[in-house]
Amino acid sequence: GAVVSQHPSWVICKSGTSVKIECRSLDFQATTMFWYRQFPKQSLMLMATSNEGSKATYEQGVEKDKFLINHASLTLSTLTVTSAHPEDSSFYICSAPHSTSYNSPLHFGNGTRLTVT
Amino acid sequence: GQQLNQSPQSMFIQEGEDVSMNCTSSSIFNTWLWYKQDPGEGPVLLIALYKAGELTSNGRLTAQFGITRKDSFLNISASIPSDVGIYFCAGLSNAGGTSYGKLTFGQGTILTVHP
Repeated sequence: GAVVSQHPSWVICKSGTSVKIECRSLDFQATTMFWYRQFPKQSLMLMATSNEGSKATYEQGVEKDKFLINHASLTLSTLTVTSAHPEDSSFYICSAPHSTSYNSPLHFGNGTRLTVT
Repeated sequence: GQQLNQSPQSMFIQEGEDVSMNCTSSSIFNTWLWYKQDPGEGPVLLIALYKAGELTSNGRLTAQFGITRKDSFLNISASIPSDVGIYFCAGLSNAGGTSYGKLTFGQGTILTVHP
């Protein structure tokens, strides 16, 4: 089945530093990937849509200058949390549809636990 | 924006019991999905539903796409301890044409199974 790999699984960083999270589709190509954020005991909230070869689309309230997204190839999207602060601590999860069909289910990575101290 | 109301928020059941959870929406979705999430991991797809009225099974799991396209339910029969986790419904709305739409998640149902 479709596999989405996310790295790192967890990261601890100091306030003010930047952190990069990678999301790879392992056995398929993904022109579109999605980044979600999940706070403890809450649901997944869409942050942005990553588009290969073009700018990412951000959801309302998500700062594009703080959460930089780059979709460099058909199998890799990266999310960089710039100048991280403790309130950015969360579980970040990427996902990708297995096919180009508009109703293809999303497959999710295993998430990255970010802790900002 | 679109919202999904998922219930119940949590369930505590005995091993062997059946479980039922559902989601309702104020708007129509083209696709309904059910995911399970274990602690510290990403959601895993359980069942995908594509047509109104569709009833689909995956082992002990059964899910249905409501006729109105605004609701869906998931049933788990004969629960076992490894069914423990958080179950999310998700509705996919078509962005139009061949563009991928937006996936909206319910609030989740926390399932605890006592041996």
